[in-house]
Amino acid sequence: GIQVEQSPPDLILQEGANSTLRCNFSDSVNNLQWFHQNPWGQLINLFYIPSGTKQNGRLSATTVATERYSLLYISSSQTTDSGVYFCAVVDTDKLIFGTGTRLQVFP
Amino acid sequence: ETGVTQSPTHLIKTRGQQVTLRCSSQSGHNTVSWYQQALGQGPQFIFQYYREEENGRGNFPPRFSGLQFPNYSSELNVNALELDDSALYLCASSFPIGSGSYTFGSGTRLTVV
Repeated sequence: GIQVEQSPPDLILQEGANSTLRCNFSDSVNNLQWFHQNPWGQLINLFYIPSGTKQNGRLSATTVATERYSLLYISSSQTTDSGVYFCAVVDTDKLIFGTGTRLQVFP
Repeated sequence: ETGVTQSPTHLIKTRGQQVTLRCSSQSGHNTVSWYQQALGQGPQFIFQYYREEENGRGNFPPRFSGLQFPNYSSELNVNALELDDSALYLCASSFPIGSGSYTFGSGTRLTVV
């Protein structure tokens, strides 16, 4: 099955800093999503981005499907950005999640 | 449009008991999937239902079973609970099957004592 790896595993930032999270996957995919899991466990859709670039406010994502990676950019980070960020790809009708990046943003 | 809703939000059960978790899919989504997330790990696929039939299963024993109803809502049943079943159980709905965007509910946190 497809392997999904994320880096870095942990990230500590001061409010206002920028960051880049990376997701590598082992095979071609038709579906890639980025999620933010808040401290209460809710998985929140950030981007559905099988290829190309999308932006939503301070967040943007780029997927280069031919090179099997995706990047999530967070600019001007805020304390509310804290939590775990997962990328996930579809493999035969199921989502395969990466290992996650735990982000802590301090004021 | 309504999102994915799950009930209950928290549950405590005793080892050996049975539990039923419920999920209402997002309006217009005909596919429902269930995931188990142990503490500190990513969600793991349990199974998926499409048009009331199981359509894919992860590496979970038969005591994990499910149902999907005509209105696309779903149940996850776990028999003979074990301590290791303690986890956050997440339901996701999607459309179209296999390629659409997945939307998750807020989860049911199950504790087995």
